[in-house]
Amino acid sequence: AQSVTQLGSHVSVSEGALVLLRCNYSSSVPPYLFWYVQYPNQGLQLLLKYTSAATLVKGINGFEAEFKKSETSFHLTKPSAHMSDAAEYFCAVSEDRGSTLGRLYFGRGTQLTVWP
Amino acid sequence: DGGITQSPKYLFRKEGQNVTLSCEQNLNHDAMYWYRQDPGQGLRLIYYSQIVNDFQKGDIAEGYSVSREKKESFPLTVTSAQKNPTAFYLCASRPSGQGAGQPQHFGDGTRLSIL
Repeated sequence: AQSVTQLGSHVSVSEGALVLLRCNYSSSVPPYLFWYVQYPNQGLQLLLKYTSAATLVKGINGFEAEFKKSETSFHLTKPSAHMSDAAEYFCAVSEDRGSTLGRLYFGRGTQLTVWP
Repeated sequence: DGGITQSPKYLFRKEGQNVTLSCEQNLNHDAMYWYRQDPGQGLRLIYYSQIVNDFQKGDIAEGYSVSREKKESFPLTVTSAQKNPTAFYLCASRPSGQGAGQPQHFGDGTRLSIL
């Protein structure tokens, strides 16, 4: 089974500062990777996904993530934080690329706080 | 607009009672999933279904049951055997047969608490 590690359960930044949320995966074969965002008492919304077309993936709300195979990482960044970015962020990895089950394995999440 | 509807938004269970959480989607997706979310633990897979009348256990299926009689619907029953049911439950769906790169789409969840 795949596994995902999100370093830092809580991250705090000032408004306008760089946001960096870390994600490492366990697979020896590059899987598909996803970042989701969750606002309080809501479901998960897809921010972006990596499917091997490009190592730097741009998503919604100004977020982007870079796939680094050598580091088995897929860290999420945003150059300038906004108050509305305060939420919980989840990194997820798919099963092997040949699978059709579509099962995802989620990290434990990182709660982002943005200070004014 | 297409989407996933979960109901109710809040649900309370008495001791020894079974409760059913509803999940309906109009996205024409074949695959559907149920997750349990607890603070600091991420999402854990309870059950999933790739096609009508077929479903598989996930990682934490004990104390739960599902059915998939219609493509649009994937209800989850939390039985009295589930001793710690208090959690946020999320339903998701995705088109199947298109490989693992298709993302899952999520409903807005049901929060279950014990009375």
